[in-house]
Amino acid sequence: GEDVEQSLFLSVREGDSSVINCTYTDSSSTYLYWYKQEPGAGLQLLTYIFSNMDMKQDQRLTVLLNKKDKHLSLRIADTQTGDSAIYFCALSDPYSGGGADGLTFGKGTHLIIQP
Amino acid sequence: DTEVTQTPKHLVMGMTNKKSLKCEQHMGHRAMYWYKQKAKKPPELMFVYSYEKLSINESVPSRFSPECPNSSLLNLHLHALQPEDSALYLCASSPTGGRGYTFGSGTRLTVV
Repeated sequence: GEDVEQSLFLSVREGDSSVINCTYTDSSSTYLYWYKQEPGAGLQLLTYIFSNMDMKQDQRLTVLLNKKDKHLSLRIADTQTGDSAIYFCALSDPYSGGGADGLTFGKGTHLIIQP
Repeated sequence: DTEVTQTPKHLVMGMTNKKSLKCEQHMGHRAMYWYKQKAKKPPELMFVYSYEKLSINESVPSRFSPECPNSSLLNLHLHALQPEDSALYLCASSPTGGRGYTFGSGTRLTVV
């Protein structure tokens, strides 16, 4: 099955950019997602990228996809204290399994903001 | 309505109890999912329903019984659970093309 890897922790200073990385093994993934989870809360979809794209930008968020290296990254510009959370990379391949498939998640990166 | 609503938000149950978790969405999504998340771990897929039919069961013990009464509702029936089943149970929905999974805020279950 799919293997998705993320670093467990990232510490950045407030106002700097944060870059969270994700590598995966299965190149058939159609959509690649970034979710944010704050303590005690559910998962908030931040952004996603279709596998035929290299980059997607949405306000402070930039997603880069390198299909050759099977590497996905999320850049958060001007990181704020409210960005402190766990960030999960997740992959799906909904064109298998009859059109609905679950997500495979990385272990999550805990983003720590230093004042 | 762009939300997935889960009830209850918290549940404490004994090992001999029977309880149900409920999930509802009105986005017209025809795929619905149950995930289990332990503390400091990623969510793990339990069940997938596509067009109200169970399409994926990730070898979940029979003490968890899913049900999809219609395209907007998803239930998870619980019976004879163990303390190790204590976790956050997340429901999600998506179009069957997969783009844009939406998660509920979860039910935090404690088995005593």
